[in-house]
Amino acid sequence: AQKITQTQPGMFVQEKEAVTLDCTYDTSDQSYGLFWYKQPSSGEMIFLIYQGSYDEQNATEGRYSLNFQKARKSANLVISASQLGDSAMYFCAMREANQAGTALIFGKGTTLSVSS
Amino acid sequence: DAGVIQSPRHEVTEMGQEVTLRCKPISGHDYLFWYRQTMMRGLELLIYFNNNVPIDDSGMPEDRFSAKMPNASFSTLKIQPSEPRDSAVYFCASSSADYGYTFGSGTRLTVV
Repeated sequence: AQKITQTQPGMFVQEKEAVTLDCTYDTSDQSYGLFWYKQPSSGEMIFLIYQGSYDEQNATEGRYSLNFQKARKSANLVISASQLGDSAMYFCAMREANQAGTALIFGKGTTLSVSS
Repeated sequence: DAGVIQSPRHEVTEMGQEVTLRCKPISGHDYLFWYRQTMMRGLELLIYFNNNVPIDDSGMPEDRFSAKMPNASFSTLKIQPSEPRDSAVYFCASSSADYGYTFGSGTRLTVV
C-alpha cells in the first residue's frame, strides 16, 4: 500500500490565487515528520516546509502553509498568492519515526501550472 | 556551504558499460541517501548510510547496483553492467540531527 498519496496529477491556477495540493499518508507510528519539496523544471529538489506529528500549530513558511489534519492523515500544502515561478512539480514526503536517520518516503507528485 | 555536490550532472553511456555516480555530502551531515527518480516509479530510495555504514540497501534493484561510502565526504553509486532501464535521475541527499534533508542537483543517466 502506498504510504504517501497525492491524488492530483496536475493542478492549474491563475497568478495571485491560492492553491491547495493534497497529500494523505499512512503510518502506524505516533511520531513522524511530513515534508513538502518543490521540483522545478531544472530538476533540483527544494525543501519548502516541514510538520512534525506532535506539532500543535500548522507549519508556515512565507507563502507556504501546511494544513495538517492528523485524524484524517492529511498534510495538504497551501500556496497563497501564486506566482509564475511556482510552476513546478510538488512532492509530499514522510519520515516515519521522525528521526534524522530515517529515509523520506515520497508521493508521486503533483504538477502545478500557474498562468498569468 | 556548497550544498550536496553530485557529479556528473549528465551521463550518457552504452548498454553494458560501467557507470559511476559521485556524491559529496554537506560537511557534518552523518546520513547520506541515494534516490532514483523515474516517471513510472517516482522517487525511490535505493540505499542510505549512517556514518559511512550502509543501513538499508533493500531498495537497490539488483546486484548490478552497488554503493560505497569510503569516508564522510564521498559516496559512489555504481551500475555494472548498465541497461537502458537504468535510465533515470539519481539524487543524493544528506541530513543531520535536525529535520532537514538537502538534495544534490541530481545526475541524469541515459543508457542507450
